[in-house]
Amino acid sequence: QSVLTQPPSASGTPGQRVTISCSGSSSNIGTNTVNWYQQLPGTAPKLLIYRTNQRPSGVPDRFSGSKSGTSASLAISGLQSDDEADYYCATWDESLNGFWVFGGGTKLTVL
Amino acid sequence: QVQLQQSGPGLVKPSQTLSLTCAISGDTISSNSAAWNWIRQSPSRGLEWLGRTYYRSKWYRHYALSVKSRIIINPDTSKNQFTLQLNSVTPEDTAVYYCASSYANGLDPWGRGTLVTVSS
Repeated sequence: QSVLTQPPSASGTPGQRVTISCSGSSSNIGTNTVNWYQQLPGTAPKLLIYRTNQRPSGVPDRFSGSKSGTSASLAISGLQSDDEADYYCATWDESLNGFWVFGGGTKLTVL
Repeated sequence: QVQLQQSGPGLVKPSQTLSLTCAISGDTISSNSAAWNWIRQSPSRGLEWLGRTYYRSKWYRHYALSVKSRIIINPDTSKNQFTLQLNSVTPEDTAVYYCASSYANGLDPWGRGTLVTVSS
């Protein structure tokens, strides 16, 4: 059972906009920024969004992130077939001595 | 640009010790702005952070409660790498193990991952 809650699946058609939610608590998302990762089959997670809404160089501006309270969202506009992947949210949790926590992942299907 | 290269066996027998190494290029393990993490991923447990080591005038190690009694993460400054030891493994420890650096922007980059199977 993951600390952060994501929907297990999402889908959209090419060109559409989809959003993926990530729900946490006051000790994690409520306090810290959120990262989003894209994972293609057989590969390591790749940083997509950092500090809630910042894109690393090379990540298209079709990807955007936001946060409100103890929830965060990843939005993908102009959906493309190669966006089909698993997406994970992650943040630091301040409880105990602190630790990284992840969402359970959302499988995005491009129809 | 930091790059991480993982190495270690892909098969470990139950009750034995899982040992993996993560070699760092592009920065030094003693960097005052980085932490060096181990994470694993399995279908049953998802992504699970195992622990980290970092240097801030001295070495620190923090571990996840779920593995705290069985894990050691050590820096190796002579080889600019860090290691994971997980003792008394069971089939539930079967997973893809990743090393990852963390700076101000979070866990990035990650190593390519090592599938470790616990089986006799």
